[in-house]
Amino acid sequence: DQQVKQNSPSLSVQEGRISILNCDYTNSMFDYFLWYKKYPAEGPTFLISISSIKDKNEDGRFTVFLNKSAKHLSLHIVPSQPGDSAVYFCAASAVANAGGTSYGKLTFGQGTILTVHP
Amino acid sequence: KAGVTQTPRYLIKTRGQQVTLSCSPISGHRSVSWYQQTPGQGLQFLFEYFSETQRNKGNFPGRFSGRQFSNSRSEMNVSTLELGDSALYLCASSASGGSSGANVLTFGAGSRLTVL
Repeated sequence: DQQVKQNSPSLSVQEGRISILNCDYTNSMFDYFLWYKKYPAEGPTFLISISSIKDKNEDGRFTVFLNKSAKHLSLHIVPSQPGDSAVYFCAASAVANAGGTSYGKLTFGQGTILTVHP
Repeated sequence: KAGVTQTPRYLIKTRGQQVTLSCSPISGHRSVSWYQQTPGQGLQFLFEYFSETQRNKGNFPGRFSGRQFSNSRSEMNVSTLELGDSALYLCASSASGGSSGANVLTFGAGSRLTVL
């Protein structure tokens, strides 16, 4: 039962262009969403997050959009740089809705490999 | 500020053996979570500890266990290893385990376990 899905295993983008990574979820209890980036031989690194009470959060070149009715979120990277090439994971958490049982638990998507070409 | 430290980084075991992995969280973080990453299943939550108590547990068999010490350092143990236990085991720490806001999980580099 894949509660968080990233349907695109890979994405290739030219440097300077926009990268859009997508994520869908099925569990209505999720109320906090995060994006992590992972380089080989390293652990995932937190990138940006969004609460379900918002529909957009921006941090520099990174913007996350949340569409609760569609249970869909996306990460926009503008402009894309070669150093952004990595695996991007979408993750979700049920914080307020879980009655304190969500401690430390994130549900991850399968990841999308982003390659930014110079 | 030192990050999350996991040891060992790589290890090879044979079926039936047991393994213990160690995690030192970021100073001041009291919550430690463990995840298993495999190519087929992605990142899956194992368990979370806070103040030496397991507060949350994922859907893994009893062969997977953990503990946390008074200094917040944590260990996880896998007994009677199976080939399918080959994976990257990731530890993450946060201030209180809330997984949101200021409590986002910070991951270590992981321990790569190969079971032969």
